[in-house]
Amino acid sequence: GNSVTQMEGPVTLSEEAFLTINCTYTATGYPSLFWYVQYPGEGLQLLLKATKADDKGSNKGFEATYRKETTSFHLEKGSVQVSDSAVYFCALSDVVSNYKLTFGKGTLLTVNP
Amino acid sequence: NAGVTQTPKFRILKIGQSMTLQCTQDMNHNYMYWYRQDPGMGLKLIYYSVGAGITDKGEVPNGYNVSRSTTEDFPLRLELAAPSQTSVYFCASREFGGTEGEQYFGPGTRLTVT
Repeated sequence: GNSVTQMEGPVTLSEEAFLTINCTYTATGYPSLFWYVQYPGEGLQLLLKATKADDKGSNKGFEATYRKETTSFHLEKGSVQVSDSAVYFCALSDVVSNYKLTFGKGTLLTVNP
Repeated sequence: NAGVTQTPKFRILKIGQSMTLQCTQDMNHNYMYWYRQDPGMGLKLIYYSVGAGITDKGEVPNGYNVSRSTTEDFPLRLELAAPSQTSVYFCASREFGGTEGEQYFGPGTRLTVT
């Protein structure tokens, strides 16, 4: 079955630091890949996505590239802000699973001023 | 559009009580989902629906029931609440033929069973 593994948190950074959150996946089909973000007390919001190999998703300064050869979709941001403090979830879906999302466990990011 | 709305926001139940978590979406999406989120465990799918009148089990359906009589509503029923059902519950929806699984989430219901 499908699975997603993302780096354990929590991650604590200073403002303007570089962020990487690692995500690798196992899938039976050809998945689409997603990063969702959950701000404190809120539901999940789609941050970015990529639907095929070598696609780069980007939004709000965050980027992730779909790497089929390493089955990875690492999230990066060059300069984090306090407002980026949240839980980040890597997820995948494919036609084999009827587009149901499979989530990683989430990574808590705290950015200090 | 309000998107996906959930009520209540918070609830405390005693063991053995019943309740219904409400979920409504106004985007005319065919697909709807219920997840539970436990600390450090990501989201687990409880039930889902691909359209009115059609529901199916997810990973963790035991102790829950759902119905889908309209496109807009997808209530989740807990019949005999147990402490193991203490969690945050999220409802989500996706349009038919929408981008490869992108889902829209409600704000969640925090449930405590004591």
